[in-house]
Amino acid sequence: GAVVSQHPSWVICKSGTSVKIECRSLDFQATTMFWYRQFPKQSLMLMATSNEGSKATYEQGVEKDKFLINHASLTLSTLTVTSAHPEDSSFYICSARSWGLVETQYFGPGTRLLVL
Amino acid sequence: AQSVTQLDSQVPVFEEAPVELRCNYSSSVSVYLFWYVQYPNQGLQLLLKYLSGSTLVKGINGFEAEFNKSQTSFHLRKPSVHISDTAEYFCAVRIGKTSYDKVIFGPGTSLSVIP
Repeated sequence: GAVVSQHPSWVICKSGTSVKIECRSLDFQATTMFWYRQFPKQSLMLMATSNEGSKATYEQGVEKDKFLINHASLTLSTLTVTSAHPEDSSFYICSARSWGLVETQYFGPGTRLLVL
Repeated sequence: AQSVTQLDSQVPVFEEAPVELRCNYSSSVSVYLFWYVQYPNQGLQLLLKYLSGSTLVKGINGFEAEFNKSQTSFHLRKPSVHISDTAEYFCAVRIGKTSYDKVIFGPGTSLSVIP
């Protein structure tokens, strides 16, 4: 089946630094990618939807200047948490969908971010 | 607005007993329905999905779910659980059927299988 990878799997950084998380579709072209955030013991909250070659669409309440999303190619999307603060510590999960896989959404293994 | 409800936040059940995890959604348009499982510190794994056709859907690990349009429900069932089924289970709904439509997740149900 389709595989989605994320890198890094976990990251610890100091407050005020920026962190980039990569999401790759390994064996299919992802025309649409989604970024989710999950706090401990909670559900996944959709942050934004990105379509290849266009600007991401952010959900209400998500700061687009803080969470920069780039979907430059059909196999790569990146999420950059700018000037990270402890409250940004969370589990970030990406998901990818393709025209050929329109009925299924594949999820990455997640990236755990800890901001000190 | 569309939403997904999982009424039971925690479900303890003895090993080899049956279990049902409830999911209800609200939507006025066609939906796709999914159940995902998440083991500790891991990503999501698709258990099963309903797209169309038969309302009874069978998935992996012995799970099945039934779509009930009139009750807008998609409850997950397993006739006999194992210790290894202990995990977080999420019901999800996709509103619409294009590549750009987003998936909304329920709050999750924590299944604990007791030996």
